[in-house]
Amino acid sequence: GQQVMQIPQYQHVQEGEDFTTYCNSSTTLSNIQWYKQRPGGHPVFLIQLVKSGEVKKQKRLTFQFGEAKKNSSLHITATQTTDVGTYFCAGVQGAQKLVFGQGTRLTINP
Amino acid sequence: GAVVSQHPSRVICKSGTSVKIECRSLDFQATTMFWYRQFPKQSLMLMATSNEGSKATYEQGVEKDKFLINHASLTLSTLTVTSAHPEDSSFYICSAPRGGAGLYEQYFGPGTRLTVT
Repeated sequence: GQQVMQIPQYQHVQEGEDFTTYCNSSTTLSNIQWYKQRPGGHPVFLIQLVKSGEVKKQKRLTFQFGEAKKNSSLHITATQTTDVGTYFCAGVQGAQKLVFGQGTRLTINP
Repeated sequence: GAVVSQHPSRVICKSGTSVKIECRSLDFQATTMFWYRQFPKQSLMLMATSNEGSKATYEQGVEKDKFLINHASLTLSTLTVTSAHPEDSSFYICSAPRGGAGLYEQYFGPGTRLTVT
């Protein structure tokens, strides 16, 4: 079945540094979604990417979808302590079913 | 915005007993809901797809007789962990998709932390 790999598993940065997490799928994705889970919380939807080569921005967050629609990345510029959490990518299978990557846990030194 | 609730948020039960977890979509209807299991510091593992008015679809390796799912209405799905054992202790999260025009954003419940003693 479809597998979604995400790296790195952990990332610790100084506040103000940039952060990037990468997601790779074993198969071509129809679209990909990104979620953020704060410590002790539940996943919250961030964005969906659909088109090949698509780039979307949300303030300091930049999301990219690869040309082959098999990889994606999330880049955070100048991290803040509020960015702490685990970021998951999820490949969409069928109409609604999500296959989650392992997640990247971001911790920040203030 | 759309909200999904889950009840209870925490439950401690003795080995051999059954536990029911409820997942409700509060301001939208969901013909499909999803149940996940999450171990500490790990990703979400899809257990099953709950379908309103029909049988749930279970992922490979998930015992359907142990994890009973009922989706009796368009706003409620329940997961019953039967004859629970300590290895069933985990964080269980449900989600419901909502959207249109090709976007199905998943709204997650706050989760239920199950501890089996």
